[in-house]
Amino acid sequence: DAGVTQSPTHLIKTRGQQVTLRCSPKSGHDTVSWYQQALGQGPQFIFQYYEEEERQRGNFPDRFSGHQFPNYSSELNVNALLLGDSALYLCASRFWREGQNTGELFFGEGSRLTVL
Amino acid sequence: AQSVAQPEDQVNVAEGNPLTVKCTYSVSGNPYLFWYVQYPNRGLQFLLKYITGDNLVKGSYGFEAEFNKSQTSFHLKKPSALVSDSALYFCAVRDSLVGGYNKLIFGAGTRLAVHP
Repeated sequence: DAGVTQSPTHLIKTRGQQVTLRCSPKSGHDTVSWYQQALGQGPQFIFQYYEEEERQRGNFPDRFSGHQFPNYSSELNVNALLLGDSALYLCASRFWREGQNTGELFFGEGSRLTVL
Repeated sequence: AQSVAQPEDQVNVAEGNPLTVKCTYSVSGNPYLFWYVQYPNRGLQFLLKYITGDNLVKGSYGFEAEFNKSQTSFHLKKPSALVSDSALYFCAVRDSLVGGYNKLIFGAGTRLAVHP
């Protein structure tokens, strides 16, 4: 059973560029969330997708956008990169149904973005 | 606002000794609490969760956590530490907002070092 997979694992960009990160959720999961983990910090929630719509958003600027596809996979896009965007970007998935909202999130191994 | 505090940046313990990693929380309503572990250059792995019921929760790899409502704490414990337990540990609370099922609020993390 494949877990949450993310690509690429590492990438280097320069300021002002744009980046796209990809995530395939765990088999059977339909909800995807994205987190940013800066060095030495805990992960911070960026946004969540369910049924191809953004359902909830954290305190991140509009430069951060996303998409969910019909097969539940997801992309995170970051425009106009800043040095401060350097971080490990984690994707998490879960299976969501009404009344079954206590399950844990399953995380991928992340995409490490370095902005020079 | 929901928050989690991990008061120790690092915990050092000798192999075979019991370990405790501390976590306190602040929530409105009933807390949904989680512990995750992160090994170097890896994503987060779920250890255990408290939703309701017994205050002592058992999880993966021999870990357990004690929920204490009066002290608003959710400390992670293990009776006998292994060198392989050395990693970064995160406590998290689920956001209580309606629909916040995928938004976890993480602490800053505690680095556990188990010495032979």
